Amino acid sequence: ELKVEQNPLFLSMQEGKNYTIYCNYSTTSDRLYWYRQDPGKSLESLFVLLSNGAVKQEGRLMASLDTKARLSTLHITAAVHDLSATYFCAVHGEETSGSRLTFGEGTQLTVNP
Amino acid sequence: DAGITQSPRHKVTETGTPVTLRCHQTENHRYMYWYRQDPGHGLRLIHYSYGVKDTDKGEVSDGYSVSRSKTEDFLLTLESATSSQTSVYFCAISELWTSGDQAKNIQYFGAGTRLSVL
Repeated sequence: ELKVEQNPLFLSMQEGKNYTIYCNYSTTSDRLYWYRQDPGKSLESLFVLLSNGAVKQEGRLMASLDTKARLSTLHITAAVHDLSATYFCAVHGEETSGSRLTFGEGTQLTVNP
Repeated sequence: DAGITQSPRHKVTETGTPVTLRCHQTENHRYMYWYRQDPGHGLRLIHYSYGVKDTDKGEVSDGYSVSRSKTEDFLLTLESATSSQTSVYFCAISELWTSGDQAKNIQYFGAGTRLSVL
């Protein structure tokens, strides 16, 4: 059974600082996703990572994937208040049918002025 | 929003009553999913569909049934709602995404239905 763990679950940081969210998963995967969710809203797709060593960047967010370590990171550079949200990683296991995803618990990020 | 509409957006019901949530899509996607979101659990898959009349269970399917009689609609039914089914329910579709020679699916989510079972 595929397990996905994120840490930290709660992150409070100051504007301008850097931080990293970690996503570990338990079985082999052929793709990993990062989503953002604002309070009371739906999930928005941020990144899709398809191969070992993949790196994707959008603005102040950068996601990477290490399939050998079964680890993805979401790095936040010079945080701003607008990045406050909950971030989820989701993993598609290689043995999984139907394009099913297993989600982590989410990391609730608060960026303080 | 990938053309996904969930209805109703909010519902309050009583324990033991049947409830049906609807997910409607306009872009002919093959795969559709129902998730529930609860604090401390992220999103958990309830059921999914890979075509008309083709459905399968997810990790938390007990107490739920689904139907897909046409491509555009995926219905989630709680036959006899319980308080433990109070949650936010999200429908998702899977859309093919291509980049160079790589083609993978991305799930896009509806706006969600907030269900309270009293």
